[in-house]
Amino acid sequence: GAVVSQHPSWVICKSGTSVKIECRSLDFQATTMFWYRQFPKQSLMLMATSNEGSKATYEQGVEKDKFLINHASLTLSTLTVTSAHPEDSSFYICSAGGGVDEQFFGPGTRLTVL
Amino acid sequence: AQTVTQSQPEMSVQEAETVTLSCTYDTSESDYYLFWYKQPPSRQMILVIRQEAYKQQNATENRFSVNFQKAAKSFSLKISDSQLGDAAMYFCAYRFTNAGKSTFGDGTTLTVKP
Repeated sequence: GAVVSQHPSWVICKSGTSVKIECRSLDFQATTMFWYRQFPKQSLMLMATSNEGSKATYEQGVEKDKFLINHASLTLSTLTVTSAHPEDSSFYICSAGGGVDEQFFGPGTRLTVL
Repeated sequence: AQTVTQSQPEMSVQEAETVTLSCTYDTSESDYYLFWYKQPPSRQMILVIRQEAYKQQNATENRFSVNFQKAAKSFSLKISDSQLGDAAMYFCAYRFTNAGKSTFGDGTTLTVKP
């Protein structure tokens, strides 16, 4: 099946710094990618929908200036957490679809902000 | 807006026995997709089974089957001959299109006792 990768798998950063997380579709072109956030033992909450070549669509309550999403190519979307704070510590998961009639999830990125 | 409800935060089953996980949802659409995902400790989302709403026949994948009741907006997952490797968090999810954004339930943690 199709593969979606995320990098890094785990990142630790200091409060106030910015962190970039990459989501790549390895063997298919993804016109749409989704970013989810998951706190421990909780559900996945959709943060935003990323469409190649256009601005991301953010869910209500998600700060678009804090969570910058770029989908510059059909195989790569990035999520940048700007001026990260401890409350941003979470598990971030992307999924990719659109190019194929299916959707695939990445393995996730654990962000720890000290 | 669509909602997905899983009323069982935790379930346990004896190895080789059968267990049923419950899920209800709310939507005004007539065509949509429903999913069950497994999330083991690695946090990778694994597709267990998919049901297209227009299909009356319940989906089956080996030991996994669903009971889809469209009028009641119910979508339960039955795991037969439970194995130790089935232990994980299970999420019920709704999508309007197969490659679209997902709405997840809160999850059910399944424990399998040897």
